[in-house]
Formats: sequence, C-alpha cells, structure tokens
Amino acid sequence: KAGVTQTPRYLIKTRGQQVTLSCSPISGHRSVSWYQQTPGQGLQFLFEYFSETQRNKGNFPGRFSGRQFSNSRSEMNVSTLELGDSALYLCASSPSNIGLAYNEQFFGPGTRLTVL
Amino acid sequence: SQQGEEDPQALSIQEGENATMNCSYKTSINNLQWYRQNSGRGLVHLILIRSNEREKHSGRLRVTLDTSKKSSSLLITASRAADTASYFCATAGLKAAGNKLTFGGGTRVLVKP
Repeated sequence: KAGVTQTPRYLIKTRGQQVTLSCSPISGHRSVSWYQQTPGQGLQFLFEYFSETQRNKGNFPGRFSGRQFSNSRSEMNVSTLELGDSALYLCASSPSNIGLAYNEQFFGPGTRLTVL
Repeated sequence: SQQGEEDPQALSIQEGENATMNCSYKTSINNLQWYRQNSGRGLVHLILIRSNEREKHSGRLRVTLDTSKKSSSLLITASRAADTASYFCATAGLKAAGNKLTFGGGTRVLVKP
C-alpha cells in the first residue's frame, strides 16, 4: 500500500496570508490526525478527523481548522498566518474504527511551512 | 503542552553499543508508543506497549513500562549508524477517544561508526 502523502512538501507564505495543506491517508484508514512540530514547542496535536467528523481537538486557536472528505483525504487550513506558525506540519493516518482507538499512527513526510 | 519528559535530550554512542532513553509522563494512559524521526522527516512507529503490559520486544528494540512510576524506557541493542535519529515517546490518554497522542520532547541519538 502507498504510504501517507502530504502536499505540498514545502511552502513559503507571508504574514496575514492563509494556507491549505493536504493529506491523503493510507488506503482503508479512516482516521487522520494533524500535528505541528516546532523547535520550541515540539510535537503538538492539532486535531483528528474520523469519518468526516472532528473527533479530537488540541489547544490551538480558531485560525487552525481542518476537514475530512468522504474518501478520508484531509485538509487543514491556517488563516491569518503569523510568524510563529512556521513549522513542520505532520499528518498521520490510523486504521482506527469506532470503539477501537489508540492504534499506531502512520505519518506522512510533512509539509514545511515558512512564514515570512 | 507536552505530556512528558524524555531523558537524556541527546545521546552519542559508538556503533555496536546499546542506547537507552527514558520517558516520563504525567497522566494515566491507555498505551505508550515510541516513534523515530530522521532529520525533520515524518515519524516512523517503532513499538506500542499497552498499560497492562510491562515489557515488549521488537527486533533490537526493548521497551519497558512502569505505570506506577509513569515512566517507560526504550533500549536499542547493538546500535548501527542507521539508528541515528530522534526518538519520541507518545502517550494515548485513558479517557480520550480516538487517536490523540501527546508527545515527549524527544531524545536525539547519534551513533558514530
């Protein structure tokens, strides 16, 4: 099976702009999670989607949003970009089903976002 | 905020030596997982240990879990240059549903040939 893919791999934006990142999970995986990785804060959970519904949410401002489509592909959006949003954004998919959670997660290569 | 701390933050060893890193966490967990990350790339899942397990092996990896001390350790035996990477522990909370993982700060491991 193909692994988790993320597009684009690199992105440069300026403050105030918005950005959309895309993630295609492993075929058959219904859970998609997003994480932000920065040198200062480390790896932080953004949100998880399962069957097109947000199942979990981390402690990020409302500028960070996401969605999941019927084919399990997911997008995350960051509006009004700030310098501190510069980070590696990682997407992970899991074969989780309703009532069966806490499985291993399969990560994509990440999208490196630089905000100038 | 991060669930736990990893110790040491960095580790440098010779090829063939063992590498041990520790992870402590704060709240009750369903399971604890270890991941490896090479140079700012995606994370690779190494091993998952459930809260009712005490030890688990996978190839050259050995993980222990002590829920009374809220700590875990990862041992890599007979290390290779290819093991150079950052290693993260991640916990899945007891009450939360779904796949929300809380990561530690990571241990950077350098294996010198």
